[in-house]
Amino acid sequence: YEVTQPLSVSVAQGQTANITCEGDNIGFKNVHWYQQKPGQAPVLVIYKDKNRPSGIPERFSGSNSGNTATLTINRAQAGDEADYYCQVWGGGVVFGGGTKVTVL
Amino acid sequence: QGQLVQSGAEIKKPGASVKVSCKASGYNFKNYGISWVRQGPGQGLEWMGWINVYDGSINYVQTFQDRVTMTADTSTGTAYMGSGTAYMELRTLRSDDTAVYYCARFEVGATNPHFDFWGQGTQVIVSS
Repeated sequence: YEVTQPLSVSVAQGQTANITCEGDNIGFKNVHWYQQKPGQAPVLVIYKDKNRPSGIPERFSGSNSGNTATLTINRAQAGDEADYYCQVWGGGVVFGGGTKVTVL
Repeated sequence: QGQLVQSGAEIKKPGASVKVSCKASGYNFKNYGISWVRQGPGQGLEWMGWINVYDGSINYVQTFQDRVTMTADTSTGTAYMGSGTAYMELRTLRSDDTAVYYCARFEVGATNPHFDFWGQGTQVIVSS
């Protein structure tokens, strides 16, 4: 099973960024999202499509339907600049290739 | 919450082995699993496999099946807040094994568990 993420997404500060994770009928799978800043370990930001771990701002939300799962960052801040990875199960753990989010 | 602290950076020659440790604290080590994920220079995340500390079962990615061993030592800590250490040994190292290796905790029992927190990473460099 493969999932595809855009290489990069740019967003103006204060605006909304949508990061997609595409896969065949991904809507039937649980999708998790991680944020990774340079030189740091990944941090879980969304699990099971739309759930936020404690400590993750409400600005982060997730959805999943059809062939696309989406991580949405509302009111983007400079501190949200990072690589974002989706994770699904496809006969094993499968990570997307990652999306670099730039806040302009 | 909990914490995973990994061993320090390693430099190895091709053909050698490396063993990375991941010390868990702040939660009952025996009730969870530990997964290993690596990230090559400028690359994305690559899942290597996991060990279910609760029942001892192991799942390796086929790519690493012949070269990796994941273990867990549950001998430390109390019955209710047992700490412990997970290990990942990778043998017959090649230059393309140069990467940062992460351990990450997951809740056992789910088909597609999420990794709720991660170790800080261990840099492994393979060079002659």
